[in-house]
Order: sequence, then structure tokens, then C-alpha cells
Amino acid sequence: GNSVTQMEGPVTLSEEAFLTINCTYTATGYPSLFWYVQYPGEGLQLLLKATKADDKGSNKGFEATYRKETTSFHLEKGSVQVSDSAVYFCALRYSSASKIIFGSGTRLSIRP
Amino acid sequence: DTAVSQTPKYLVTQMGNDKSIKCEQNLGHDTMYWYKQDSKKFLKIMFSYNNKELIINETVPNRFSPKSPDKAHLNLHINSLELGDSAVYFCASSQLGSANTGELFFGEGSRLTVL
Repeated sequence: GNSVTQMEGPVTLSEEAFLTINCTYTATGYPSLFWYVQYPGEGLQLLLKATKADDKGSNKGFEATYRKETTSFHLEKGSVQVSDSAVYFCALRYSSASKIIFGSGTRLSIRP
Repeated sequence: DTAVSQTPKYLVTQMGNDKSIKCEQNLGHDTMYWYKQDSKKFLKIMFSYNNKELIINETVPNRFSPKSPDKAHLNLHINSLELGDSAVYFCASSQLGSANTGELFFGEGSRLTVL
């Protein structure tokens, strides 16, 4: 069936380090892919998205490229800040259905 | 002006009680959802309504009953609460259709603690 697998956390980095959070998916058809972020005590909010192969989503210095050949949508940021500390969720939506499937979330902590 | 608002934000209650959580969205979306997030942050969809019609009903005990009086509101009523119901419940909305990617807009969550 359709699923999302993302790297387990927690991930702890120093400020200004390079970040990668891996995400791979299994889906039939051509899903839309998303990264959501959840800051402490808040609901999830959309960070970025991509709707077709080779699309690159970007926001707040974060990027992810929709790679159909490797069924991946890895999240990257060149220089993280303490304020990036949060839980990050990779997600997919089938192209023709309403359900969005979330990965298990990766907790990111950034040390000053 | 909050896009997706849910009340109450915190709920502490005894086992066996009945409680409700309310959700409203002012985004004009046609679809609303309830998600449950456990202590390990796993997010699981429970229900979804599109224009007041139930379109997703995951394997959820029938103690949980959603109600959508109109497309801007989706409430969740839980009967005979159990310890395992303790979680954060998130309401979300989206606009479906081929012209939209259906991204979700979430409320801030309602933390339910069953004692």
C-alpha cells in the first residue's frame, strides 16, 4: 500500500550545520509530496510541497526535490538555526483521493 | 483571525465520561479532518468530511462520533472515555479538487488527558 518512511530521530545538530532528513515513499500513481513542521505546542504547518517529478519545493531556506526514480523527497537546509528546532513530517497525498499519509516524524534539536 | 480553531485546547477528564471537541474553519474549504497524535508524535487520520458528507472513516472505535453541521464545522464527540484515548487531537481542513494539491491547514490541537 501507500506509505511514507522517514529517518528516525531525534536529530541533534549545532547551529549553522547542514541538515538532511531522509524521506522515501511507496505509492501508486503520482502523489503530491509535502513537508510539514510542528513547533513545540503548536499544530502542524506546511513547510513546502512538490506535485510532480523533479519539482523542487522551498521555503525558509529548506528545500526538497521530488525524485521519482528513487521515490524520495529528502529535506535539506544549508545552515540551521536554533529556531528550526521542531518535529518534521514528510507526507504524501494520492493523486485522486483525499487522504494524506504522514511519516512518523523526525524531531530536530539545534544547539546554539 | 485564526484559520482553523478548535476548542477546548486542554481537556482533563475521568475514565467513563463523555466529552466533545469543536472545530471551525474560516478558509472556505470543503473538507475537514480529525487526526489523533499520540505521545510519540505519530499522526493517524480518524475521519474526514467533504461538504458535510463522511468520506474517510478509519478503524476507530464507535465511541468516537464526528458531526459536521455545515462545511465550516466538524465536531468530535467521544463516549465512555478510556485511558488510551489520551492524546492530542488535531482538526484540519483542505480544499480538494484537481486544481488543488489538497494541503492541510491544522488547528492548534486539543490535548485530552483521561485519568
